[in-house]
Formats: sequence, structure tokens, C-alpha cells
Amino acid sequence: GAVVSQHPSRVICKSGTSVKIECRSLDFQATTMFWYRQFPKQSLMLMATSNEGSKATYEQGVEKDKFLINHASLTLSTLTVTSAHPEDSSFYICSARDRGIGETQYFGPGTRLLVL
Amino acid sequence: AQSVTQLGSHVSVSEGALVLLRCNYSSSVPPYLFWYVQYPNQGLQLLLKYTSAATLVKGINGFEAEFKKSETSFHLTKPSAHMSDAAEYFCAATKAAGNKLTFGGGTRVLVKP
Repeated sequence: GAVVSQHPSRVICKSGTSVKIECRSLDFQATTMFWYRQFPKQSLMLMATSNEGSKATYEQGVEKDKFLINHASLTLSTLTVTSAHPEDSSFYICSARDRGIGETQYFGPGTRLLVL
Repeated sequence: AQSVTQLGSHVSVSEGALVLLRCNYSSSVPPYLFWYVQYPNQGLQLLLKYTSAATLVKGINGFEAEFKKSETSFHLTKPSAHMSDAAEYFCAATKAAGNKLTFGGGTRVLVKP
């Protein structure tokens, strides 16, 4: 149980294009999902907290117009990197909190984004 | 603000030897504590968690961790390292269920044959 998937697993795009990453909780309902960014050999940096049916809460320094988050259902959240640039290249990981077991976050496998 | 410190960014152990990864948290209120493992190019997998029940927590893959309030620590151990334990390990804390996690800097474990 408690499986989280991400799609795509890796994506290469041209500078200036937008990229959408999906995060799905496969066997549980997630009222809250989190989006992280991880640079090589570093820890995870929380970008935003996504609550189903409401606006995401962004961490300080994260541009909400750059990283659009939508949490339209209890099993799906999406992160759209708009007008991507090479500095947006990173490993993006989502996590989801099972609303029945509140304290644990279950992580997706991550999405490697490379912007050329 | 809550913080999590992992002492040692790299740990090298011999196969069969004890694995000890250190984690200290700063919080006036005992938080929920977690250990996650990350293999290359993958997401994080939950090893174990402390949620104010038993102070000695057993997790998957033979790992366990002990919550010590007096030392504000939650160190991770495994009696006998296996080659498959080579990975990055993250300690994390949250003050309350549903709140965002605060991560330590991570410890990369290398297992020597």
C-alpha cells in the first residue's frame, strides 16, 4: 500500500517551453501533496504544499507563477514548470499524505528534468 | 524554527559491520521523526518512523532507530551492513501530522566488501 507514482520519470525540453509533471497516489486518498526539488548530492528542498481543492502554499523564494501547482482531486497533483530555463533542470519529487494516516509522507520516484 | 542535523555527510562501513547514522533534532516539542532511504535516481522510501509510541522503532531491511528525548536524537542503526544498504539516508521531522517535513542534510552510506 501507500504507493505514489510520478510521470514522466524523465523529460528533456527546450528552453522556453512548459513541462507538466503528474503525481498520483495509487491506493490512497491524499488531501495534501508536497513538491520538492533536489539538486545533485543535496537534501530535498520543499517548494510547495498542495491541498486538494485549494491554492497551493509556496515556500519563500519559490515563484508561484513559475511553478504552477494544481491539486484537482484526492489522487492527483500536477506541477507545471512554465517557460523552463536551464537553471530549472533538477530532480523533482512529490510526496503525498494519506488522509487516514496523517503523519507520514509517501514519496514518488521523482522526475528528472533537463532543460536545454 | 525546527531543524534536523545529520552528523556526517558520508559514512563508510565494511560489509557485515554495524551501521550507525546520527540524527539530532531541535524542537521543544517531541516531533514525529522519520528515516528515509534514497537509491540513485529514485524517490524516498520510508524506513521507519517514531510517532510517540515505543522509543525503539523497528523498520524495514533490518534497520531500527531509538528516540532519546534527553539527547534530542533519533539515530539509525543496523547490526550488519549489506551491500544493498549503499544509498543516501535522510532523517526528517515534523511537529504535527500533516505538517511539512524538515529534512536533515542526508548521509551517504558506502559499503565496502
